[in-house]
Amino acid sequence: QVQLEESGGGVVQPGMSLRLSCAASGFTFISSGMHWVRQAPGKGLEWVAVISYDGSDTHYADSVKGRFTISRDKSKSTLYLQMNDLGSEDTAVYYCAKDNHGSGSGGIGDWGQGTLVTVSS
Amino acid sequence: DIQMTQSPSSLSASVGDRVTITCRASQDIYTYLVWFQQKPGKAPKSLIYGASSLQGGVPSRFSGSGSGTDFTLTISSLQPEDFATYFCLQYNTYPITFGQGTRLETK
Repeated sequence: QVQLEESGGGVVQPGMSLRLSCAASGFTFISSGMHWVRQAPGKGLEWVAVISYDGSDTHYADSVKGRFTISRDKSKSTLYLQMNDLGSEDTAVYYCAKDNHGSGSGGIGDWGQGTLVTVSS
Repeated sequence: DIQMTQSPSSLSASVGDRVTITCRASQDIYTYLVWFQQKPGKAPKSLIYGASSLQGGVPSRFSGSGSGTDFTLTISSLQPEDFATYFCLQYNTYPITFGQGTRLETK
């Protein structure tokens, strides 16, 4: 059974940084592409970033490009999202998600429960 | 970016009803479409990928069809646990983009 458990959310001031983690279990992490998707309060969903199974290929939404970095640690079966220069527009629940394919281009198959990031002074 | 437009935005139905939700892409996405369900305060749950392939563990009353720009999600016989919001997303091209959602409510 796929389990994805996000952590690292919280309240942060504008301009600050935060790193989210997603502990993965129940599947072969080293074979799966992984995504971060976010949902602002009362809003729709916004895809944030994807990383291939081996970390060699990444893609980002324009809204976070240059500020956010997706990465993974195969030894810990953990996905990360380093978020820098945060603004109020980054306030959202952040979901970790597993792709159906190792490349990250197979569609999202499984989702974590999400972690809330609030950017506020 | 590819725009995804869902219709209707909300829908009232009863247990046992057959329900159809539509998603239209602003350009050809072949069959690179996922349907997923979200309940308030809960994580999304993927139902369909590749426009018509059932995600593991999803009941067979859910089905998807379509290719190119027009897609449908059908629930053949609505169950009480199916009242939720449904979204589509396209993964043909980055950035992945989402429909705005269809809220399925009890009549």
